[in-house]
Amino acid sequence: KAGVTQTPRYLIKTRGQQVTLSCSPISGHRSVSWYQQTPGQGLQFLFEYFSETQRNKGNFPGRFSGRQFSNSRSEMNVSTLELGDSALYLCASSLGAGVSYEQYFGPGTRLTVT
Amino acid sequence: DQQVKQNSPSLSVQEGRISILNCDYTNSMFDYFLWYKKYPAEGPTFLISISSIKDKNEDGRFTVFLNKSAKHLSLHIVPSQPGDSAVYFCAARYSQGAQKLVFGQGTRLTINP
Repeated sequence: KAGVTQTPRYLIKTRGQQVTLSCSPISGHRSVSWYQQTPGQGLQFLFEYFSETQRNKGNFPGRFSGRQFSNSRSEMNVSTLELGDSALYLCASSLGAGVSYEQYFGPGTRLTVT
Repeated sequence: DQQVKQNSPSLSVQEGRISILNCDYTNSMFDYFLWYKKYPAEGPTFLISISSIKDKNEDGRFTVFLNKSAKHLSLHIVPSQPGDSAVYFCAARYSQGAQKLVFGQGTRLTINP
């Protein structure tokens, strides 16, 4: 079974621009979560989607948004990019939305904002 | 507010010996704990988990222990192998938070031949 895939793997953007990152979950998985990893803050939860509905949101500004499609694929969007948005963005999928379901991570998208 | 803490940024262990990675948490609402391993340029890989109703879970060379009264969990790897060299993250979540994982800062484990 194919793992979680994220595109693109690397991205360079300029301050003020916007960016869209894509995540395809493992086949059959209906829950998708997004995380940001930075050297200073570690891994931080962005949001979670299940059956096209946002179930949970982390403490990030409104510039960060996401959505999930009927095939469970998910996208996240960051508008008006800031230098501090440079990070590794990780997507994780799980079979269900309950607390006991393990999450499986993709390789991440490395975003650099200049 | 760091709800999940891994106080050792790094750990060095000789091949064949036991590796013990520690994790402390502050939120008593957490009821599920997980360990992930991460290699450079890859996403975290799920290793092992434990529910708060248990105090031990074992999977091959990996065992996780949970001490709820101390709000402490540990991951034991025995015997340690060179391929175990990676960054290990402890993570926690609670029922109302569903899939939201709260991660520790990670411990870099190096296995020396």
